[in-house]
Amino acid sequence: AQSVTQPDIHITVSEGASLELRCNYSYGATPYLFWYVQSPGQGLQLLLKYFSGDTLVQGIKGFEAEFKRSQSSFNLRKPSVHWSDAAEYFCAVGAPGGYNKLIFGAGTRLAVHP
Amino acid sequence: SAVISQKPSRDICQRGTSLTIQCQVDSQVTMMFWYRQQPGQSLTLIATANQGSEATYESGFVIDKFPISRPNLTFSTLTVSNMSPEDSSIYLCSVGGESQPQHFGDGTRLSIL
Repeated sequence: AQSVTQPDIHITVSEGASLELRCNYSYGATPYLFWYVQSPGQGLQLLLKYFSGDTLVQGIKGFEAEFKRSQSSFNLRKPSVHWSDAAEYFCAVGAPGGYNKLIFGAGTRLAVHP
Repeated sequence: SAVISQKPSRDICQRGTSLTIQCQVDSQVTMMFWYRQQPGQSLTLIATANQGSEATYESGFVIDKFPISRPNLTFSTLTVSNMSPEDSSIYLCSVGGESQPQHFGDGTRLSIL
């Protein structure tokens, strides 16, 4: 069955520290991969996406993610976290091509200490 | 990316009543999606709405409970019928083009008393 696993429910980092949020997926083929962020009281904002090509993708707000086919992973990274990055982060997969329905992970809630 | 507006942004309803949520997009889109986010949970797809055809529902969701309309390429509604406290959730619509990422509205926060 298709699924997305985000092993870390909560993560706390200090402002200025580096960040890595983990995402593993189970899918029959290489899916489209996405990271979304949800700030309190807001909808979801797309941070970045991977469809094909270069396995290191750059997104908005200084985030990047690396697709590793051998590990079925798509981890999100940021070299220096800002207090405004505190939010919930969702990894999602979709079928390649067409109008892809998304399967979401459970989310990782990020807290940032000053 | 498309600008997506949802109404209402939040509501508190009595059990047994129904609420219709509107989703308006500032450009024509083929596919619109409706998701539910239960408290503290991730997003689950309710249905996919294609203009001019019946919505396609995911397992566990039925048309009688969540009727959807899609009268044109910029608008859709989701009705939550005969509500119970278990329906308290955030309901989000999203749009996405072919081989394009989905973009989401701000959601409707629904509480059932």
